[in-house]
Amino acid sequence: AQSVTQLGSHVSVSEGALVLLRCNYSSSVPPYLFWYVQYPNQGLQLLLKYTTGATLVKGINGFEAEFKKSETSFHLTKPSAHMSDAAEYFCAVTGGAGGTSYGKLTFGQGTILTVHP
Amino acid sequence: KAGVTQTPRYLIKTRGQQVTLSCSPISGHRSVSWYQQTPGQGLQFLFEYFSETQRNKGNFPGRFSGRQFSNSRSEMNVSTLELGDSALYLCASSEIAGGNNEQFFGPGTRLTVL
Repeated sequence: AQSVTQLGSHVSVSEGALVLLRCNYSSSVPPYLFWYVQYPNQGLQLLLKYTTGATLVKGINGFEAEFKKSETSFHLTKPSAHMSDAAEYFCAVTGGAGGTSYGKLTFGQGTILTVHP
Repeated sequence: KAGVTQTPRYLIKTRGQQVTLSCSPISGHRSVSWYQQTPGQGLQFLFEYFSETQRNKGNFPGRFSGRQFSNSRSEMNVSTLELGDSALYLCASSEIAGGNNEQFFGPGTRLTVL
């Protein structure tokens, strides 16, 4: 079974400050990891994904995440927060192709990011 | 390409009724997954369809069902609605399910059960 834990249901930062959203996962197979963002009354938009290869992944809107197998973590960062980054962020894991992984993302509980002027 | 579309966007039903939600995937995408999003339980996987076949199913009661048509459009049905079924239902499509194939989400259907 796979699971995702996002530390901190709410994170508040000032505009221009570093954004750090934490995600730890549990998986019995090599994981594929994703970060999604959800704005109010909208669906989820993919920020970035880790599959194999380079452990530092760059995504859209200046976000990046680093896959650390030894720490089973995939934290999301952005050097300088912008007001438009205020949204809810979800970390998700899937276990690769086949079997019980077909079409299934397992999500964390989400982290609401607030950006203060 | 047009994104994933879901209809209707909002629904209000009463307990005991049934409801059908529709999802049109991105053109060329053959896999459609459904999720339920609630404040208490978060995002939970309902089921996935590929080439008109259900390949995976989450831990939901049999009142929740779905199907996929030959054009990859999908519907999900909830029978005998309960208050706890009030949620945002999200549909996602991908070219091939599993692995590193990212899922593209629609805007969701917000279901309110009174």
